[in-house]
Amino acid sequence: KDQVFQPSTVASSEGAVVEIFCNHSVSNAYNFFWYLHFPGCAPRLLVKGSKPSQQGRYNMTYERFSSSLLILQVREADAAVYYCAVPGCGSARQLTFGSGTQLTVLP
Amino acid sequence: GAGVSQSPSNKVTEKGKDVELRCDPISGHTALYWYRQRLGQGLEFLIYFQGNSAPDKSGLPSDRFSAERTGESVSTLTIQRTQQEDSAVYLCASSLGGTTNEKLFFGSGTQLSVL
Repeated sequence: KDQVFQPSTVASSEGAVVEIFCNHSVSNAYNFFWYLHFPGCAPRLLVKGSKPSQQGRYNMTYERFSSSLLILQVREADAAVYYCAVPGCGSARQLTFGSGTQLTVLP
Repeated sequence: GAGVSQSPSNKVTEKGKDVELRCDPISGHTALYWYRQRLGQGLEFLIYFQGNSAPDKSGLPSDRFSAERTGESVSTLTIQRTQQEDSAVYLCASSLGGTTNEKLFFGSGTQLSVL
C-alpha cells in the first residue's frame, strides 16, 4: 500500500529552525506537498514541488523519496499540525497524506 | 464565495441515522475531493470528482458512504446508518483542473460526532 511517513510530534524552541522529515513509498510520485493545519480551520498549502523551494519562512528540501519542511525563526503561533503529501497513481491523482506532525513550540 | 464552504460545521447524530454533508467548491474549480480525518490520524482520501468523468470512489470505506456532485458545483457526502467509527472531521477540497501539481483549496470541514 502506498504510504507517506512523518514523525507524529516535533518540539522546538522559539527562534530556532525546525525540520520536519517526510518519506514515502508511493511509486511514480515525484512531488511533495506540505500543508499547515490548525484544527477547526482549512489546511493551507505552504510549499510544493519536485525540487528544493522556499516560500517565506518555509523551505522544502527534496530527494526522490523524501523531503523535509524547514521552518525558519519558529514562533509560538507556528504550533500546528503539518502534513506531508504526495500525489498517487491512477486517473484520480489524489494526494496521499502522511499522518501529520504536531509541532510544539517552547517559549 | 471566496473559498470552499462546507456545512454544517458541526453535526451530532445518533448511531444508525443518516447524515448528509455539503460542500460548495470555489466557482470554476472542476475537481472536488472529500477527505476524512479521524482523531489522531491523518487525512484519508474518500472520493474524487473531475468534471463530467466518473468519480473515483476508491477511498470510500463502505457502501454506507456515497457522494454526488451536480455538474461542477455543489457536492454532498451521505453516510447511511452511521456508526461510531464514522466520527471524524470530513474535509472537502477543490482545485482548478485536477492535475497533479495543482493547489488544493480546503474547506474548514464538518465535525461529525456519532453518539
